[in-house]
Amino acid sequence: SYVLTQPPSVSVAPGKTARITCGGNSIGSRSVHWYQQKPGQAPVLVIYYDTDRPSGIPERFSGSKSGNTATLTITRAEAGDEADYYCHVWDSSNDHRVFGGGTRLTVL
Amino acid sequence: QVQLVESGGGLVKPGGSLRLSCTASGFIFSDYYMSWIRQAPGKGLEWVSYISSSGSMIAYADSVKGRFTISRDDAKNSLYLQMNSLRAEDTAVYYCVRECTSGYDCWFDPWGQGTLVTVSS
Repeated sequence: SYVLTQPPSVSVAPGKTARITCGGNSIGSRSVHWYQQKPGQAPVLVIYYDTDRPSGIPERFSGSKSGNTATLTITRAEAGDEADYYCHVWDSSNDHRVFGGGTRLTVL
Repeated sequence: QVQLVESGGGLVKPGGSLRLSCTASGFIFSDYYMSWIRQAPGKGLEWVSYISSSGSMIAYADSVKGRFTISRDDAKNSLYLQMNSLRAEDTAVYYCVRECTSGYDCWFDPWGQGTLVTVSS
């Protein structure tokens, strides 16, 4: 089965840029989606189709891909961005949906 | 607005059964693929199952295959998850989520608020 690998934690200073990676074999040929989950809340979609941003998501959030890694970038990080972030792809080999293990972003 | 509301969670003994429901509003339910996703306490997200818009295509995570059954009733704008032979490791918040209309490379949006299932004696 397909595996997505995320770092367990990332730290960033307020106002700086945070980058959260998501690695997977041949991820370049897959569409990657990203979710933000704050404590006690349901996840929220922040990036879909690698780079697209849903309405209401700040422009500070962006997505990219290079090689076997997708990256969620958060510029000008704020305390309110502290959350767990998950990447997600569709595994066409078995029609399953796959999540990365999640990354806890700390803004300190 | 688009909304998903889950119900049916609760405390159940190992080996028991539970049926979760999800009521959708604010969109044409019958057009969309739907999924169930769960999150064990303090853990990450785990996709459980999906059903196509027509109901003809279904898939399950290996961890629940043979024990859980997903279904939908478009007349009631409702999605269901029948969970049998429950185990302690099925303890989680279960989220109902909308996919897209194609089932291909879909994202999950929106998510319901979740319903907690606790399997314990």
